[in-house]
Amino acid sequence: NAGVTQTPKFRVLKTGQSMTLLCAQDMNHEYMYWYRQDPGMGLRLIHYSVGEGTTAKGEVPDGYNVSRLKKQNFLLGLESAAPSQTSVYFCASSSRGADYGYTFGSGTRLTVV
Amino acid sequence: GDSVTQMEGPVTLSEEAFLTINCTYTATGYPSLFWYVQYPGEGLQLLLKATKADDKGSNKGFEATYRKETTSFHLEKGSVQVSDSAVYFCALANTGGFKTIFGAGTRLFVKA
Repeated sequence: NAGVTQTPKFRVLKTGQSMTLLCAQDMNHEYMYWYRQDPGMGLRLIHYSVGEGTTAKGEVPDGYNVSRLKKQNFLLGLESAAPSQTSVYFCASSSRGADYGYTFGSGTRLTVV
Repeated sequence: GDSVTQMEGPVTLSEEAFLTINCTYTATGYPSLFWYVQYPGEGLQLLLKATKADDKGSNKGFEATYRKETTSFHLEKGSVQVSDSAVYFCALANTGGFKTIFGAGTRLFVKA
């Protein structure tokens, strides 16, 4: 099925460990986004990309890095995980601008202990 | 800056009741407006959108009309079902913009 695929779906990390979340889309979308969703905080934009090889910071970029080496993939990295990064992470894509609407992945639930 | 305000939940309704979830926005220019729905354990799905004033977006029995004069985009459904239980997010994005501004979400419970 066409759409946005996130891996892994669940992960538990120890404080200080690193990991990479993978987002893949097969719709040939130009724009890709990483959000985190926390209770009472809504959705907050971490980083985004407007095309292959480009990345930009969102509202809450500290502690995260991203890469968009291929158009279909957008990777989110945590170099040294902290308990404050416990959250549900969503990847989204859009064909052109955000005004076209997003397609979201099903999320990655990350717990940092 | 741009912002979206939607009514706090949870909203609890009986099956076949009428639903309204209020949403108002503040934006420069003429944004596109959206409603997204998130079912338990899933990602958000685009429910409907409207791109200019007086447009009505509709899908799956849900409707919302872009009201520029009141800067509102209220979500309505005439007869809700248990399967409509979810969190609903109002959102805006400026034309050609890179980002979407989301409201805090409104949780809807529908009882049989």
